[in-house]
Amino acid sequence: AQSVAQPEDQVNVAEGNPLTVKCTYSVSGNPYLFWYVQYPNRGLQFLLKYITGDNLVKGSYGFEAEFNKSQTSFHLKKPSALVSDSALYFCAVRGYNAGNNRKLIWGLGTSLAVNP
Amino acid sequence: ETGVTQTPRHLVMGMTNKKSLKCEQHLGHNAMYWYKQSAKKPLELMFVYNFKEQTENNSVPSRFSPECPNSSHLFLHLHTLQPEDSALYLCASSQDAGGRGDTQYFGPGTRLTVL
Repeated sequence: AQSVAQPEDQVNVAEGNPLTVKCTYSVSGNPYLFWYVQYPNRGLQFLLKYITGDNLVKGSYGFEAEFNKSQTSFHLKKPSALVSDSALYFCAVRGYNAGNNRKLIWGLGTSLAVNP
Repeated sequence: ETGVTQTPRHLVMGMTNKKSLKCEQHLGHNAMYWYKQSAKKPLELMFVYNFKEQTENNSVPSRFSPECPNSSHLFLHLHTLQPEDSALYLCASSQDAGGRGDTQYFGPGTRLTVL
């Protein structure tokens, strides 16, 4: 079965420190991977996606993510966290399955708190 | 903003009411989606329209009825809801729901409370 896991409910980092939000996945075939962010009382905003090519993907607001096929992971990173990065982060995957290629499989989300 | 708008932003309704949620996208996309977001649960896909045809109905109760009159507008008609239907309802759009690399863009959501 296809699945996405975000093993941490909450991540706390100090402003200016690097941050990592973890995501692992299980899909058949090559994965298409996405990260979204949700600020309070807002919808989800697209950050970045991995389709193919370079394992390091750069996205919006200084975020990047590293695709690791052997570890089936797609961790979100930022070199220097800002207080304004505090939000809920969602990882999603779309596998290669003829019956399900439209559906995104979503993680439960990780709440990121950046402390001043 | 992402180019996807939703109205109303907040809605309180009784179990016997009938109401509708509206979504409009200004991105020139061909696919539109309804999702339900509840605390501590993964995002639940409810309906998908691709080129105005409904391509997904994810076992949603009949008290939720979608309508997609054109590729820019999507409605969710609500009637005789239950308190457990209280949630954030998100609309999204994308270029083509059949594309594996297709990216979905979300509206701000409607916070629904059923009394």
